[in-house]
Amino acid sequence: DVKVTQSSRYLVKRTGEKVFLECVQDMDHENMFWYRQDPGLGLRLIYFSYDVKMKEKGDIPEGYSVSREKKERFSLILESASTNQTSMYLCASNGGDVYEQYFGPGTRLTVT
Amino acid sequence: RKEVEQDPGPFNVPEGATVAFNCTYSNSASQSFFWYRQDCRKEPKLLMSVYSSGNEDGRFTAQLNRASQYISLLIRDSKLSDSATYLCVGGPRGGATNKLIFGTGTLLAVQP
Repeated sequence: DVKVTQSSRYLVKRTGEKVFLECVQDMDHENMFWYRQDPGLGLRLIYFSYDVKMKEKGDIPEGYSVSREKKERFSLILESASTNQTSMYLCASNGGDVYEQYFGPGTRLTVT
Repeated sequence: RKEVEQDPGPFNVPEGATVAFNCTYSNSASQSFFWYRQDCRKEPKLLMSVYSSGNEDGRFTAQLNRASQYISLLIRDSKLSDSATYLCVGGPRGGATNKLIFGTGTLLAVQP
């Protein structure tokens, strides 16, 4: 089974803090994705990566950056957390000709 | 207009009922479609793929109508455990990566 893990299930941070969300997958997938999910807005793509050290902006990249130094690990960084970044953050991966994405359990981030 | 649109519901149905959800997509170039299931406060998980004219898996049937650009999901003999949000997903969005477009989801509540 594909396994995607995320570093924290719940996180509470203060406005202005730098926040790191980590995601690790164990299936040697080339592609990794970061989404946020908010009520009524669904899943929105923040950033994705199709190879080590490669990244592309998704639909809502503002206020976020990413890092992919190893194939299995994709990090989402909030440089200066703001209250409007309170959300559920979901990491996903896929690879090869397989379009289905496999999700991690999510990190519920609250910024106060 | 959203690329993938769904009725948010909720659909409240009694156990044993048959329920159908529809989803429309705007990008005629989308090649693959999926239904994901998301339980409350959990990550989305793949329910079914819909690659060509349809797919059936037990009580679940998914249909794709390319001419009208819609996808449907039919659930027969609903169970309490079917209560969840069902996400309609299209993709890829093009390019080398396997990006998917998620609908905002349809909430199903099966009642005893």
